[in-house]
Order: sequence, then structure tokens, then C-alpha cells
Amino acid sequence: AQSVTQLDSQVPVFEEAPVELRCNYSSSVSVYLFWYVQYPNQGLQLLLKYLSGSTLVKGINGFEAEFNKSQTSFHLRKPSVHISDTAEYFCAPCETSYDKVIFGPGTSLSVIP
Amino acid sequence: ETGVTQSPTHLIKTRGQQVTLRCSSQSGHNTVSWYQQALGQGPQFIFQYYREEENGRGNFPPRFSGLQFPNYSSELNVNALELDDSALYLCASSPTSYTSYEQYFGPGTRLTVT
Repeated sequence: AQSVTQLDSQVPVFEEAPVELRCNYSSSVSVYLFWYVQYPNQGLQLLLKYLSGSTLVKGINGFEAEFNKSQTSFHLRKPSVHISDTAEYFCAPCETSYDKVIFGPGTSLSVIP
Repeated sequence: ETGVTQSPTHLIKTRGQQVTLRCSSQSGHNTVSWYQQALGQGPQFIFQYYREEENGRGNFPPRFSGLQFPNYSSELNVNALELDDSALYLCASSPTSYTSYEQYFGPGTRLTVT
């Protein structure tokens, strides 16, 4: 069964500093990988997705993630964060296009002015 | 293009009562998934509906049930509410069931059970 680990539950970072949110998943089969963002009191919004092809995926709001099959990781990065990036971030793999997405426990990113 | 909408926004119920939550899918989407998000946790998959039929279910008891209508809107019903049912309930619509990862989420319904 698919499982996902987000290694940091909370990440505080100063404005304009870089950030990396870590995600590891367990699967013996090919996976599709997603990062979602949830702003306070809102639903989830897709940040980026890896389906196939290039392992470096670019998303919205300047975020990018790198798929590493050997390490079963899909870490999210941004070179310079803004206050508006303060939110909860969820890593979410699924095994095939028919399967349901499994959400990780989330990482709370707090950007400090 | 109208996004996914959910009603009501907030709801307070008493233990043992029943509740119905509603979701209107994005235009052109025939697949709706429901999730429960407890405070401080990631969303947990409840079930999915595709063309008015249940198309997969997570680890939730039968007192969680749903419906999908011909216009692809959907309802989530929860009977015999328990305190642990307090959560944010999210609805997500997808263009098709075989690309159900292509999800668009509504803002959620916050259910409080007292």
C-alpha cells in the first residue's frame, strides 16, 4: 500500500530565504506525485505534478520539485519565499491514474517578515 | 467557468444527529471525490462518485454515504454523528474517473459535532 512521509511538520523561514519541504513515499510501482497548498480557511490548490518525463517539475508561484526515484523522494523547493507563501503544504502520491490520491500529513510553512 | 462550490460553509450538529453536505462540481466534470480533513492532518479519502455510481471507497464506516445526481453534483451524508466526525469536509471534482488525480477542490464545509 502506498504511504507518504513529510519529514517536517513545521518549517519557519525568513522572507526571501530559500525553502525545501521534504517528502518521501513508499511504492514498488511507478507513481504519480503531487504537491498541494492549502491557505488558511481554504480548500486545496494544486501546486505542481509529476506524471512522467523530466524529473524537475515547475509549478505555480515559483515552486519546483524534483522526483528522485532511487530515493523515493519528491522534495518541494522555492529559492525565495514571500509572506504570502505561508500555508500548509501536502505531498500526495498515487500509483496509477485510476488510483486515489493519498495525502501526507502536511508541512506548515511559516514565512517570517 | 464556475469552480467547485460547497454548502454550507459551517455547520454545528449534536452527537447522534444526521448531516448532509452538498457539492457542485466544476462545469464539465463527471467525477466527484469527498475527503475528511481533521484538524492538523492531511485529507483522508472517503469515497468517489463517477456518473452517479460509487467508484471507490476509503476506510470509512457505512454511516458515511453519498449520492451523485445527473448534473454531477453530489451529497455526503453522515448518520449517527460522533465527536470524531468534527472536521473539514472537502469535495473535489475531476474531468474523468481515470484521471481523478486532476482534482479541483472546493473550499470545504467545517462540521463541528458537540
